[in-house]
Amino acid sequence: GENVEQHPSTLSVQEGDSAVIKCTYSDSASNYFPWYKQELGKRPQLIIDIRSNVGEKKDQRIAVTLNKTAKHFSLHITETQPEDSAVYFCAASPLIYNQGGKLIFGQGTELSVKP
Amino acid sequence: DVKVTQSSRYLVKRTGEKVFLECVQDMDHENMFWYRQDPGLGLRLIYFSYDVKMKEKGDIPEGYSVSREKKERFSLILESASTNQTSMYLCASSLETDYQPQHFGDGTRLSIL
Repeated sequence: GENVEQHPSTLSVQEGDSAVIKCTYSDSASNYFPWYKQELGKRPQLIIDIRSNVGEKKDQRIAVTLNKTAKHFSLHITETQPEDSAVYFCAASPLIYNQGGKLIFGQGTELSVKP
Repeated sequence: DVKVTQSSRYLVKRTGEKVFLECVQDMDHENMFWYRQDPGLGLRLIYFSYDVKMKEKGDIPEGYSVSREKKERFSLILESASTNQTSMYLCASSLETDYQPQHFGDGTRLSIL
């Protein structure tokens, strides 16, 4: 089955710097890759996602890139702010007959943005 | 806006008790999921359901069961709670088609004493 590895487990940056979180997946048939942000004590919330037929997607300070050949995808946050501090999860959606919507999550990255 | 509601934010139970965690969604989603969240281990899938009365085991189903009698409600059952089931439990729902994100509830922090 699908397996998702996420690195690093913790990341500390200065306010204004960029942050990059990387994930690799094992199932080449996976076709959808969402990213979630979980602030302390709150629910995970979708921040950006990308489909397998797209190489890059951007939304203001957040971008995601996908390399299908290498089976890895990355989250890029530019001009980081203290409110970006949270745990970030990547996920991959394996293509399983009659089970659309299943996600396999990475282990999470705790991002700390220091003022 | 999708609303996924879990019945309790915090719950304390004793070893050996039968524990019920309830989850309700209001967006007519076909899929519902139960995850367990532990530090450093991410979100691990316990069970999921893609239709009423249907269920599939996830990665860590041992010690748990589920029930889905109505489309909007998905219950997680700890048959005989043990201390190693102390954790944060998250419920999620999604549409059944491809490219669908999951929408999460606020979670239940369960402590087994």
